[in-house]
Amino acid sequence: AQSVTQLGSHVSVSEGALVLLRCNYSSSVPPYLFWYVQYPNQGLQLLLKYTTGATLVKGINGFEAEFKKSETSFHLTKPSAHMSDAAEYFCAVIRTGGGNKLTFGTGTQLKVEL
Amino acid sequence: DAGVIQSPRHEVTEMGQEVTLRCKPISGHNSLFWYRQTMMRGLELLIYFNNNVPIDDSGMPEDRFSAKMPNASFSTLKIQPSEPRDSAVYFCASSLGTPRGTEAFFGQGTRLTVV
Repeated sequence: AQSVTQLGSHVSVSEGALVLLRCNYSSSVPPYLFWYVQYPNQGLQLLLKYTTGATLVKGINGFEAEFKKSETSFHLTKPSAHMSDAAEYFCAVIRTGGGNKLTFGTGTQLKVEL
Repeated sequence: DAGVIQSPRHEVTEMGQEVTLRCKPISGHNSLFWYRQTMMRGLELLIYFNNNVPIDDSGMPEDRFSAKMPNASFSTLKIQPSEPRDSAVYFCASSLGTPRGTEAFFGQGTRLTVV
């Protein structure tokens, strides 16, 4: 079954530093991949998604992710962290043959320090 | 559109009581999902509807949980009887059924506490 693995349950960066959140998927067929963000006491909000086409995907709030088939990865990056980026980030995949239901990774809590 | 609307936002109930969570999906969306979020287990898919029909309920933890979607604009998740281990945040999400890879939109969630 297809799944995603997020490396690092907690990541801490300084304001202005690069943000890198890691996600690897397990699939013999490239799946559909997503990054969602969850702010405290809120629902999940889509940051970006990869379905087909260009492997570098740009999302909201300056985030982007690159689909690398050779590495089965879909890491999320942002060149310069802002305090408002502090939140929990989830990588997710749509499994083949499962309609459009999302399977989520375990999440990465991003802390941004002054 | 107001997005996915869930009610109530918070629910505190006593063990053994029936709890009903409600969800109004985004108009025009024909897929609806119920997720549960806990610290220990993360985000778990409980059940998935397509065109009001349950497609996959393999994530429903046990017979105490049931979900219905009587029409395209309303769904309920019921727990009867509730137990303390059911305490969690329950999210409803909706999406277009096609094309493949369409993202899901989430409600604000219902925080359930069973005492």
